[in-house]
Amino acid sequence: SQKIEQNSEALNIQEGKTATLTCNYTNYSPAYLQWYRQDPGRGPVFLLLIRENEKEKRKERLKVTFDTTLKQSLFHITASQPADSATYLCALDTNTGGFKTIFGAGTRLFVKA
Amino acid sequence: DVKVTQSSRYLVKRTGEKVFLECVQDMDHENMFWYRQDPGLGLRLIYFSYDVKMKEKGDIPEGYSVSREKKERFSLILESASTNQTSMYLCASTLGVSSYNEQFFGPGTRLTVL
Repeated sequence: SQKIEQNSEALNIQEGKTATLTCNYTNYSPAYLQWYRQDPGRGPVFLLLIRENEKEKRKERLKVTFDTTLKQSLFHITASQPADSATYLCALDTNTGGFKTIFGAGTRLFVKA
Repeated sequence: DVKVTQSSRYLVKRTGEKVFLECVQDMDHENMFWYRQDPGLGLRLIYFSYDVKMKEKGDIPEGYSVSREKKERFSLILESASTNQTSMYLCASTLGVSSYNEQFFGPGTRLTVL
């Protein structure tokens, strides 16, 4: 079956360290992958998009990699801050024609001061 | 900035009631979506719309219907609410027909069906 997986366990890290979140997928060949941030009780907010022909994308302290062979994307936050604490969702297009985006369940990140 | 608003942040309804969830976007986006979000399951697409009076079923349309009479407004209707429809409902919009485009989400409606 079609599947997109993110670590269900929360990630706890110390302020200043790099947080790395993983997104794995099966049975898709997405043309791109997106990452969103979601704070408790709020809707997701778009952060980054990476295309299948891009290995890496950066935006300020954020970095995303996309390995279509491993069917995996890694999302890094460098020099993490307590304000980075949130749930991070990955999303990909199913590349089946039309508009169809699949979201992962998200990984909760806690950054301790 | 794109703004997507939802009519209620919290809603409590009884089993069997008809429930209306309203979503409005102010950026002239063509596409609008309704998702529900449950712990461990991620966002699941209920319905989406490419244009006024247009609608397409998502992955879990059963028990729901939608209406899009105006471009900026997309309504989700629970014809007869059931307890298994207790969830967070999120509306989103995006410009253009490509799934490449980022989605802009509303704040969500936490619906509880008793």
